[in-house]
Amino acid sequence: DTAVSQTPKYLVTQMGNDKSIKCEQNLGHDTMYWYKQDSKKFLKIMFSYNNKELIINETVPNRFSPKSPDKAHLNLHINSLELGDSAVYFCASSRVPNQPQHFGDGTRLSIL
Amino acid sequence: ILNVEQSPQSLHVQEGDSTNFTCSFPSSNFYALHWYRWETAKSPEALFVMTLNGDEKKKGRISATLNTKEGYSYLYIKGSQPEDSATYLCAFRDFNKFYFGSGTKLNVKP
Repeated sequence: DTAVSQTPKYLVTQMGNDKSIKCEQNLGHDTMYWYKQDSKKFLKIMFSYNNKELIINETVPNRFSPKSPDKAHLNLHINSLELGDSAVYFCASSRVPNQPQHFGDGTRLSIL
Repeated sequence: ILNVEQSPQSLHVQEGDSTNFTCSFPSSNFYALHWYRWETAKSPEALFVMTLNGDEKKKGRISATLNTKEGYSYLYIKGSQPEDSATYLCAFRDFNKFYFGSGTKLNVKP
């Protein structure tokens, strides 16, 4: 069973559209994260939730909105997609904020 | 902007060689230092979480040390094998945020 699963794996869409990426973990972890891998391959944290509460909210455009319906899910919704949003987005989880993170396989978002 | 730097950017070694690389991070507001191994077409896999100055961790042929006062961590691989080929990432945590380095890409030739 996949511990941290993201869907879809690939997402190709037009500029201006709204899209969501889903993330689910079956590890019983309390903390979940969203990262964006930039053009220089850096992983940059976007958001983190602990027990469904937002604990990290980096400076990202407010077109990006995370939603955590329960501890096992952290979805990322993006409004009005722009060309610069093209990247690989990784979801991760950890038991508590300072424990090792388990990553999903990434979602490659391409904006046309 | 908080800088986490890893060196070298890439490394090519022969099977059986031992190797090491460096992660440099701010020495203030230290909370933890994570090491991850990232194979191509896979997701990052946790190796170590280090929190105390002087910490040494070991997992098989891979070990890591931590110096929080001077702001660096070393990762060592003894007797490199082709399956060790991957990008090794470090991540610095201050109170509540993670900052990843760009990684050291290791290629081990048989």
